[in-house]
Amino acid sequence: TQLLEQSPQFLSIQEGENLTVYCNSSSVFSSLQWYRQEPGEGPVLLVTVVTGGEVKKPKRLTFQFGDARKDSSLHITAAQPGDTGLYLCAGDGGVQGGKLIFGQGTELSVKP
Amino acid sequence: GAVVSQHPSRVICKSGTSVKIECRSLDFQATTMFWYRQFPKQSLMLMATSNEGSKATYEQGVEKDKFLINHASLTLSTLTVTSAHPEDSSFYICSAWGFERQYNEQFFGPGTRLTVL
Repeated sequence: TQLLEQSPQFLSIQEGENLTVYCNSSSVFSSLQWYRQEPGEGPVLLVTVVTGGEVKKPKRLTFQFGDARKDSSLHITAAQPGDTGLYLCAGDGGVQGGKLIFGQGTELSVKP
Repeated sequence: GAVVSQHPSRVICKSGTSVKIECRSLDFQATTMFWYRQFPKQSLMLMATSNEGSKATYEQGVEKDKFLINHASLTLSTLTVTSAHPEDSSFYICSAWGFERQYNEQFFGPGTRLTVL
């Protein structure tokens, strides 16, 4: 059974601080997605990483896929209150149209 | 692109009644749709996977006779919660995947808040 361990589960920081969220597994994934969800809404796709060692840097966010494609991290620089939400990583087992394996989620609160 | 809508956004019903939730892909053909349940501050819990024109595949522990899923077209899937009880109260979210996507990204609807009195 494929599992994704996401940490930390809760994070409360002040505006301007940096943070990192981790997703780890013993399984290899074909790709890994990161989503952000606000209360009462559905998750929104932030990024998809595919290649081992890949790094994507949209704005203040940095996403990295581990060399072995078993782990990933999300780093936010100078967090803002608008970054508040639930962050979810999801691993793709490689079956076309197949289900994703979701991490437990990280509830981020950025206080002004 | 990749917009998924869900209707209704909120529903309150009496115990024993059935509730239907619709999930539509607005700008792409959804070969596969997924239904999730989510409790406050928790991750998504996959309930079932449905492919257009086929019977849904339910996850272990999900009662298929209670949560009826129909995926009759490439743009519409429905989830019917039959004989709803207070313990069925939850946030239900659908997502969609289309074969033209290069990777298995799913695009999510805005969710439906179900409250059973």
